[in-house]
Amino acid sequence: DSGVTQTPKHLITATGQRVTLRCSPRSGDLSVYWYQQSLDQGLQFLIQYYNGEERAKGNILERFSAQQFPDLHSELNLSSLELGDSALYFCASSVGGTSGGGTQYFGPGTRLLVL
Amino acid sequence: DAKTTQPPSMDCAEGRAANLPCNHSTISGNEYVYWYRQIHSQGPQYIIHGLKNNETNEMASLIITEDRKSSTLILPHATLRDTAVYYCIVKWGNTGNQFYFGTGTSLTVIP
Repeated sequence: DSGVTQTPKHLITATGQRVTLRCSPRSGDLSVYWYQQSLDQGLQFLIQYYNGEERAKGNILERFSAQQFPDLHSELNLSSLELGDSALYFCASSVGGTSGGGTQYFGPGTRLLVL
Repeated sequence: DAKTTQPPSMDCAEGRAANLPCNHSTISGNEYVYWYRQIHSQGPQYIIHGLKNNETNEMASLIITEDRKSSTLILPHATLRDTAVYYCIVKWGNTGNQFYFGTGTSLTVIP
């Protein structure tokens, strides 16, 4: 158990819908990261938040957004869903948020299926 | 951005040492090498990391070459539960701390 929790574990929805994925970091960790893993793309970094502020952006679509709240939990919002958004979504957390290091601990993931 | 190159797959006999290589020839001086593994579709599991010196923990050993352009993860006594995809990672990007996972090495431990 990494100490990172994600809800829900599974999510089934229809195209065009909007969903929210939730992540609670390990106690004491200030950074939260979101990754997407699809069959044909592997693990792709989406976005990082550090202590409530966006720190880095990766391959995140404009239809996707995220935020980190004062209690440090984070939510990833996916809107106008398409079939291709079906994937595993992982959240990770680390103590720090800047370059130079920082072990990331991953949650169990949310499996999203868009029908 | 430092990227890594790993063989796509490897086999290892149960009880033997598994040696997983990784090339990271563009790594910069202050970038750590991290190793993670992913079993089936579970969340990636942290194994070990290092900067310059060799490192050992209860899971594995990490050997980094002197020029830091490559490294080897060693699982000293592989078990069936070590069958997984192993990722060698260096930090990617100029800000933050995002990881570039690449395609990893699929290790199969054979009974």
